[in-house]
Formats: sequence, structure tokens, C-alpha cells
Amino acid sequence: DVKVTQSSRYLVKRTGEKVFLECVQDMDHENMFWYRQDPGLGLRLIYFSYDVKMKEKGDIPEGYSVSREKKERFSLILESASTNQTSMYLCASTRGNAGELFFGEGSRLTVL
Amino acid sequence: GNSVTQMEGPVTLSEEAFLTINCTYTATGYPSLFWYVQYPGEGLQLLLKATKADDKGSNKGFEATYRKETTSFHLEKGSVQVSDSAVYFCALSAWGNQFYFGTGTSLTVIP
Repeated sequence: DVKVTQSSRYLVKRTGEKVFLECVQDMDHENMFWYRQDPGLGLRLIYFSYDVKMKEKGDIPEGYSVSREKKERFSLILESASTNQTSMYLCASTRGNAGELFFGEGSRLTVL
Repeated sequence: GNSVTQMEGPVTLSEEAFLTINCTYTATGYPSLFWYVQYPGEGLQLLLKATKADDKGSNKGFEATYRKETTSFHLEKGSVQVSDSAVYFCALSAWGNQFYFGTGTSLTVIP
């Protein structure tokens, strides 16, 4: 069964901490994405990657960075967490050319 | 540019009622259209899709038809069940693997 796995379902961090959110897919997909989901705002794209070591900014990249050292793994990094980054974070992947997006179960981050 | 506008919720229906969730889009080129569903505590999963004009996507009793003339992709189900309670997202995918999502519509079905 194809799968996108996010390492942590729930995290609680303090303001100023560095936070790593890990995502692994087993479908050999080229494209991987990080979204955040907030009530009333839907899904907003933070960063995406079309290939290993490649990254592109999405709509709301400020305060975030990403790393893609291996094809199957795409990490989201919050260098210094702030309370306004409290949210649900969703990782997704797809093969090329407008195929279906496969999502992980999400990581709910609370920053105190 | 590309964007998706969907009906705001929340929507509350009685079991066996008819469901429509409206979705319209703006796109350059010829996008693919999707409906995703998110059950409580879970990530999004594909419900149905259509890749060209006049295509009808269907799954689990849900249907949506890709209408190019009205730029719409409305989700319908003839008889909803309590288990259909979820948040529904309309989305489009344009060339270059960019996906655009609506803000989501929360559906609650009461027995």
C-alpha cells in the first residue's frame, strides 16, 4: 500500500526552539510538498521540491526552510518556532504531470 | 492565475439528504480537477477526479462533472450517511504540478 509517512503526529514546542518535521514517501515520487492547514484558510503551500536537493518557495515560505537530501525524504524546518506557526502541517507527494497528490496524516504542531 | 472557490460551510444535513457542495475555478490552460476528503484526525485523501472537460468523476456515491463552460466542478451525493461527515476540498492541478485548493467545506450528517 502506497504511503506518505510523517514522523510526528503531535508536537509541542516552545517559542524559539528549532523544529524538524520529517516526511517519507515510498512511491518513488519526484515531487514533494509541505502545506499548512488552518481553519478558514484551507491549505497553503510552504515549499515544494521537484527533485533531490531542489526546492522552491510556495506561498508562505517565511519562517520555514526545507531539505531534500534523498528522493524519498522531505523535511520541513522551523529555525526558531513562533506561536503563529501553531498549525497542522501536511506533507504530500506526486509523480509528474498533474497526477494525484498523496498526503500524510499530518503533524499538529503547538508552539507555546 | 489559478484559483479555486468553494462553498463555505459548515453544512449540516440529515441522513439520506441530498448533498451539493459548489466549486468554481479559474485556471490558465487545461487543469485537472479533484475533490479531496479529510476525515477527523486524518490527512487528505482523494475522493474523485476529472482530467478533461465533460469528464465525470465518481466514487463512494459521490459525483462531480468537469464543466468548462461554467468553470465548475460541483460535488454531489444523492443520499448522505453519518460516515460522510468530513471536510471536503476542491482542488485543481495545472501544468507544472502546482495544486490549488479551496478553503474546505465541513459537512456534518446527523442521524
